[in-house]
Amino acid sequence: DTAVSQTPKYLVTQMGNDKSIKCEQNLGHDTMYWYKQDSKKFLKIMFSYNNKELIINETVPNRFSPKSPDKAHLNLHINSLELGDSAVYFCASSQDSGVSPLHFGNGTRLTVT
Amino acid sequence: ELKVEQNPLFLSMQEGKNYTIYCNYSTTSDRLYWYRQDPGKSLESLFVLLSNGAVKQEGRLMASLDTKARLSTLHITAAVHDLSATYFCAVGFGNEKLTFGTGTRLTIIP
Repeated sequence: DTAVSQTPKYLVTQMGNDKSIKCEQNLGHDTMYWYKQDSKKFLKIMFSYNNKELIINETVPNRFSPKSPDKAHLNLHINSLELGDSAVYFCASSQDSGVSPLHFGNGTRLTVT
Repeated sequence: ELKVEQNPLFLSMQEGKNYTIYCNYSTTSDRLYWYRQDPGKSLESLFVLLSNGAVKQEGRLMASLDTKARLSTLHITAAVHDLSATYFCAVGFGNEKLTFGTGTRLTIIP
């Protein structure tokens, strides 16, 4: 009965490859997010979707492309991976895009070699 | 642009002691959150503070908000080992994105 689930948990790949991370939430929330946490634990939002529509698109390289097939899913596809993309990527959801706290997934640790 | 600073960044304290983590932010906000992250784990929501003077308590943790000073505090009372974690504050306004603080890594020493 995991609320926000991400797969895979670990992802090790070489530079130049393309990879995807999947996220699903079963909380019935309308808004989903992708956050990046770097090696210093700093968390930064990348994207936010509300009911399948993109509402926040931070200054992220266009190699990163989110896709939301329905409001329960938000996947992240990354093209031409670079060393600097190594980080932990967290998916999150919230009841709305305002007051409700975020519910985070367990994270995907991406290592680019 | 909203800036959120926490201090201290690292805190090592003995069991049984009290301490406070501070979260300062630079512009108007209408909501502030505290999250906990255990090593290698997800972030867990602890408190949501929505108004000036709001105070929330759960066990040994108490959070407060002073919107005039643009300051929130997370107070730990009589620390125990299982409170060791990284604590983040996060600040938002309206439908704007949440901005997270730098995190405070708390270690409780027996």
